[in-house]
Amino acid sequence: NAGVTQTPKFQVLKTGQSMTLQCAQDMNHEYMSWYRQDPGMGLRLIHYSVGAGITDQGEVPNGYNVSRSTTEDFPLRLLSAAPSQTSVYFCATKTGASYNEQFFGPGTRLTVL
Amino acid sequence: AQSVTQLGSHVSVSEGALVLLRCNYSSSVPPYLFWYVQYPNQGLQLLLKYTTGATLVKGINGFEAEFKKSETSFHLTKPSAHMSDAAEYFCAVSDVDNFGNEKLTFGTGTRLTIIP
Repeated sequence: NAGVTQTPKFQVLKTGQSMTLQCAQDMNHEYMSWYRQDPGMGLRLIHYSVGAGITDQGEVPNGYNVSRSTTEDFPLRLLSAAPSQTSVYFCATKTGASYNEQFFGPGTRLTVL
Repeated sequence: AQSVTQLGSHVSVSEGALVLLRCNYSSSVPPYLFWYVQYPNQGLQLLLKYTTGATLVKGINGFEAEFKKSETSFHLTKPSAHMSDAAEYFCAVSDVDNFGNEKLTFGTGTRLTIIP
């Protein structure tokens, strides 16, 4: 099992460009989420999904869109990239049961120039 | 709203010495607490968690943490540091919002350096 995979590992964008960060899991977990990690700020929740067809906003959702058409995939879209979105992005999954461990992907390092 | 405070963004200890990483939380309801570790250029992985029951929780790699409600603390310890413990450590608290959705709030992290 691959667990949680993220692509690409690295990406450089120019301001205003759009892109999609991919996240896939083969653990059959209902819950998926996206975090961004910035120095001195820990991880902050961007969006999350409790199952296919259901998404909701986290702490820092502005500038990002998500969709969840399948259990396995949870892409994160940047419609018009800004330098403030330079960060490391992590996807995480867990079962639907409360307070269970979250499993994290290896991350995508994004730089917006 | 819940929050997590990790005292000390950087901690250095000698190999073989005690590791103590501090975490304090605020929560209006009984907390569910976690410690995650992040090795360089990797995602986070769970070290240990506290939900209910025994307040001293043992995790992987010899780490343990004690939940102290009176002090609103969940400090992480390891009796003897190893070079392989060098990493960044995150304390987190989990809560359920008004719609029944669980959310994890992370502290800002503590980078642990081991001195040979």
